Amino acid sequence: GAVVSQHPSRVICKSGTSVKIECRSLDFQATTMFWYRQFPKQSLMLMATSNEGSKATYEQGVEKDKFLINHASLTLSTLTVTSAHPEDSSFYICSARDFGQTNQPQHFGDGTRLSIL
Amino acid sequence: AQSVTQLGSHVSVSEGALVLLRCNYSSSVPPYLFWYVQYPNQGLQLLLKYTTGATLVKGINGFEAEFKKSETSFHLTKPSAHMSDAAEYFCAVSESDSWGKLQFGAGTQVVVTP
Repeated sequence: GAVVSQHPSRVICKSGTSVKIECRSLDFQATTMFWYRQFPKQSLMLMATSNEGSKATYEQGVEKDKFLINHASLTLSTLTVTSAHPEDSSFYICSARDFGQTNQPQHFGDGTRLSIL
Repeated sequence: AQSVTQLGSHVSVSEGALVLLRCNYSSSVPPYLFWYVQYPNQGLQLLLKYTTGATLVKGINGFEAEFKKSETSFHLTKPSAHMSDAAEYFCAVSESDSWGKLQFGAGTQVVVTP
C-alpha cells in the first residue's frame, strides 16, 4: 500500500536553531501534502497545505515566515521551523494524497517529535 | 464550514466487550467521513472511510461505522475489544469538494482492561 515516510522521527535541539522535516511519498505521486501539528493529548491541527510547484496555503494563525514549506517535487515536501523556540516543541505530522486517486484518503507519516531546549 | 465532535475523551472497555466511539459532524456539503487510529508516537492509520454509497462501512481490525445523515453521525463500533485496540481514535470530516482538507475531532482514548 501507499507509504509516506517522514524524517527525522525525533529532533532535540537548542533554542534558535532551524529544523527541517522531510515528508516523502514512497510509491505514489503527491501533488498535495498536508502538515499538521499535535500537542500532547490533543487532536491534529492543520497548519498548511503544500502544493507541488506553488506556494503553500497556510491556515489562519500559522506564521508562514516561521514555518517554511517547500514542495519542490511530486514526492517531497519539507517543513522548516525557523529559529525554533520551546513553544514550538510539538509532534509534527505530514500526510499526502495520491495524485492518481481521486476521492481517496490521505496517507500519514509517522510524525516528528520536536523538542526545543 | 465543517466540524467534528467526539463524545467522550476517554473510554474504558473490558476485553471482549463492545467498543462504541461516538462521532457527530457538521458540514455544509455532503461529507466524506473517516476514522483513524493513532498509537503512541506514531502517525495516523486509516480504519475506514465513508464517501458515497453503502452507509455501513467495514474497516480493518474488525471495526465498522454507520453513516446516518439524519443524525449527522458516524459512530465507530467493534463487537469484541482486544487488548491491541488500546489507542487514540480520531474521527475526521472532509468536504467532498475541498481537495481533501481534514477536520479532526478531539480524539477518544480507548483503554482495554483484561
